[in-house]
Amino acid sequence: EIVMTQSPATLSVSPGERATLSCRASQSVSSNLAWYQQKPGQAPRLLIYGASTRATGIPARFSGSGSGTEFTLTISSLQSEDFAVYYCQQYNNWPPEYTFGQGTKLEIK
Amino acid sequence: QLQLQESGPGLVKPSETLSLTCTVSGGSISSSSYYWGWIRQPPGKGLEWIGSIYYSGSTYYNPSLKSRVTISVDTSKNQFSLKLSSVTAADTAVYYCARLQRLNWFDPWGQGTLVTVSS
Repeated sequence: EIVMTQSPATLSVSPGERATLSCRASQSVSSNLAWYQQKPGQAPRLLIYGASTRATGIPARFSGSGSGTEFTLTISSLQSEDFAVYYCQQYNNWPPEYTFGQGTKLEIK
Repeated sequence: QLQLQESGPGLVKPSETLSLTCTVSGGSISSSSYYWGWIRQPPGKGLEWIGSIYYSGSTYYNPSLKSRVTISVDTSKNQFSLKLSSVTAADTAVYYCARLQRLNWFDPWGQGTLVTVSS
């Protein structure tokens, strides 16, 4: 099983500032990584796939980077609606076996 | 716009079988482009993939749950279903269904349904 580790567990950032979230895979997943945003009481929403491609309707302030085992989600200028929990997910296995990171909670500083 | 909706009992007794259905609207479950999946989230915790199915009935399961999980599809009703047997309190979670793009990422998701395992 590929283990995904996110850091930090909680990130406190002021509105308007930049947030950088990290995700590490226990072995290479190439660029087979997605990011999701989850707000309280809601289902996760796809933000990024292929490590760096924004999903439909996702604002340009969200960007993803990385490959192999190290990945980053950057939110360039935090808006109030961006405070949420973010998860990474790898999809590199065959047969398919999907694993998620434990999440990073982005909170208002 | 594709929508998914989970349905089923919110309370299941220990040792019994959890059964949920996901109804897909705004698109066909028989599309050759997609698989369909179940993911769960225990209260206050992270996400765990349970399994996925193609409209033909081809399935993939999480190895840690494989012995207890069955996922099936009913194309005539545009639905797919989850059965999890021998449940314990550890299976208490919000259960989500989602479309699996190219066997890769999940989008969109249903709103989720909380299933509590308790006597």
